[in-house]
Amino acid sequence: EAAVTQSPRNKVTVTGGNVTLSCRQTNSHNYMYWYRQDTGHGLRLIHYSYGAGNLQIGDVPDGYKATRTTQEDFFLLLELASPSQTSLYFCASSDWPTSADTLYFGSGTRLTVL
Amino acid sequence: AQSVTQPDARVTVSEGASLQLRCKYSYSGTPYLFWYVQYPRQGLQLLLKYYSGDPVVQGVNGFEAEFIKSNSSFHLRKASVHWSDSAVYFCAVSATPNNAGAKLTFGGGTRLTVRP
Repeated sequence: EAAVTQSPRNKVTVTGGNVTLSCRQTNSHNYMYWYRQDTGHGLRLIHYSYGAGNLQIGDVPDGYKATRTTQEDFFLLLELASPSQTSLYFCASSDWPTSADTLYFGSGTRLTVL
Repeated sequence: AQSVTQPDARVTVSEGASLQLRCKYSYSGTPYLFWYVQYPRQGLQLLLKYYSGDPVVQGVNGFEAEFIKSNSSFHLRKASVHWSDSAVYFCAVSATPNNAGAKLTFGGGTRLTVRP
């Protein structure tokens, strides 16, 4: 079973604040993703990466940066946080091509921007 | 582009009752369909998936789903629910089986509450 760990579990910041959400996966998966989950919208893809140093833009990238520093670590950065970014953020990983159709999720980070 | 609609945001059933959670997708090509479940304070987990063949697919914990192409539906079913099935269920569609996550489109989710 893939292990995906997110930190922090909860985060509160103010408008204009600088936030970094962290994600680490320990199964050597090549793909990693950041999603946000909002009521009624399901999960929406922010950014994803297929390896260290790589970054791909997802469906809702505005206001977010991301960086994949190693095979294991993927960070989501909000440099000027806004209340519209209050959400539940999930990191996920998958292993292409072995099990490319299955995502393994972390437990989420709840971010509140005041 | 593909899309997914889960028309029921909340469903409440009694323990032991049967269950159907609805999912309608929109995609002009061959869809690859998934159901994920999110238990409280956890990330999503894959419940089942459909690529081709028998339109009824079995998943974990007694869940199954049926692909009905003519109706563009992929409803999730369970014959007898347990209180531990209380969770949020997400239907998702992809244009390819090898989606690597990037082409997976999720519905808005259905929150299932099972009354004891």
